[in-house]
Amino acid sequence: NAGVTQTPKFRILKIGQSMTLQCAQDMNHNYMYWYRQDPGMGLKLIYYSVGAGITDKGEVPNGYNVSRSTTEDFPLRLELAAPSQTSVYFCASTGAYEQYFGPGTRLTVT
Amino acid sequence: TQLLEQSPQFLSIQEGENLTVYCNSSSVFSSLQWYRQEPGEGPVLLVTVVTGGEVKKLKRLTFQFGDARKDSSLHITAAQPGDTGLYLCAGTRTIGSNYKLTFGKGTLLTVNP
Repeated sequence: NAGVTQTPKFRILKIGQSMTLQCAQDMNHNYMYWYRQDPGMGLKLIYYSVGAGITDKGEVPNGYNVSRSTTEDFPLRLELAAPSQTSVYFCASTGAYEQYFGPGTRLTVT
Repeated sequence: TQLLEQSPQFLSIQEGENLTVYCNSSSVFSSLQWYRQEPGEGPVLLVTVVTGGEVKKLKRLTFQFGDARKDSSLHITAAQPGDTGLYLCAGTRTIGSNYKLTFGKGTLLTVNP
């Protein structure tokens, strides 16, 4: 199993550009999550999904969108990038109790 | 308001010392998890504690869940440089039919050789 994979690992965007952060898991987990991690701020939940076709907002959803057309994939979309979205983004999926995290995408918006 | 408070925020110690980090809340959790995160990587689960008063040991690491299931501690004996990392606690709650995990801000541990 590859676990949770994320692409790209790094990206630099200009203000106003858009991009999609990809996330895939091969563990057949229903629950998937997107977090952002800012220095000294822990992990904040952006969006989550309890299964294909079902998504819901987390703590900090503004400026982001998600879709969940399959169990495996959970992409995160930034439509109009802003400097406040500079962060490290982690995707995760949940088994019985544990969350399995991807390696992260480091995004800089300038 | 932070639902889960971790302390201390930073900890720098010498190899061989013991340490304890804390995770406190005013809320009750179904379970509590501890993760370690190394620079440039995602968090990795260390342990899940489920029962109030539960104690789990993982080699030199001892995890305890408070009797009221509101707090937890992580004790490391004879710390080694390989223990360096960000330690995150996370509490789980079931709200309706949804499972939610809330993270603390973490304790950044540095173990100096």
